[in-house]
Amino acid sequence: EAAVTQSPRSKVAVTGGKVTLSCHQTNNHDYMYWYRQDTGHGLRLIHYSYVADSTEKGDIPDGYKASRPSQENFSLILELASLSQTAVYFCASNLGGSSYEQYFGPGTRLTVL
Amino acid sequence: GEKVEQHQSTLSVREGDSAVINCTYTDTASSYFPWYKQEAGKSLHFVIDIRSNVDRKQSQRLTVLLDKKAKRFSLHITATQPEDSAIYFCAAITNAYKVIFGKGTHLHVLP
Repeated sequence: EAAVTQSPRSKVAVTGGKVTLSCHQTNNHDYMYWYRQDTGHGLRLIHYSYVADSTEKGDIPDGYKASRPSQENFSLILELASLSQTAVYFCASNLGGSSYEQYFGPGTRLTVL
Repeated sequence: GEKVEQHQSTLSVREGDSAVINCTYTDTASSYFPWYKQEAGKSLHFVIDIRSNVDRKQSQRLTVLLDKKAKRFSLHITATQPEDSAIYFCAAITNAYKVIFGKGTHLHVLP
């Protein structure tokens, strides 16, 4: 079965600090995504990637960077964490081609104080 | 930009009744419409989808209807059970595998 893992599962960060969220998939999927979930906003796309060493901006990229060093790994980086970035972050992958079904990781709960 | 509107933030039904969750989309180029389920405290998982070349798809107790003219699609759950209680997200995909999600509908199946 498709597997997407995220680390850490929970993190408390200080305002202005650097935060890195990691995602690893063993699906051999080409596409990977980072979303944030906030109450009342559903899921919003931050960054995505369809090939290693390349990332694309989603709908809310400001304040976030992404890195895709290999097909399996996709990181989300908050260089200067802010209170407004407190949220649950989900990573997802999908195969590409004619397959659009996304497989989600368990999520990372980030609290910025 | 493209939007997916999910019109009910909360929906309550009695166990055994049917539930209908409605969504609309703005981008006429949207070609794929998946639904995802998120149980309390958990991640999302795929439940059913429909492509723009059909107007109806059924999988067991779930049916998705698509009205391209109205840019509207809906999820119908029959004979609801307690385990159907969750947040349901509709979504649309246009190009480059960019997925636009609705804000979610919290379905409560009451005993």
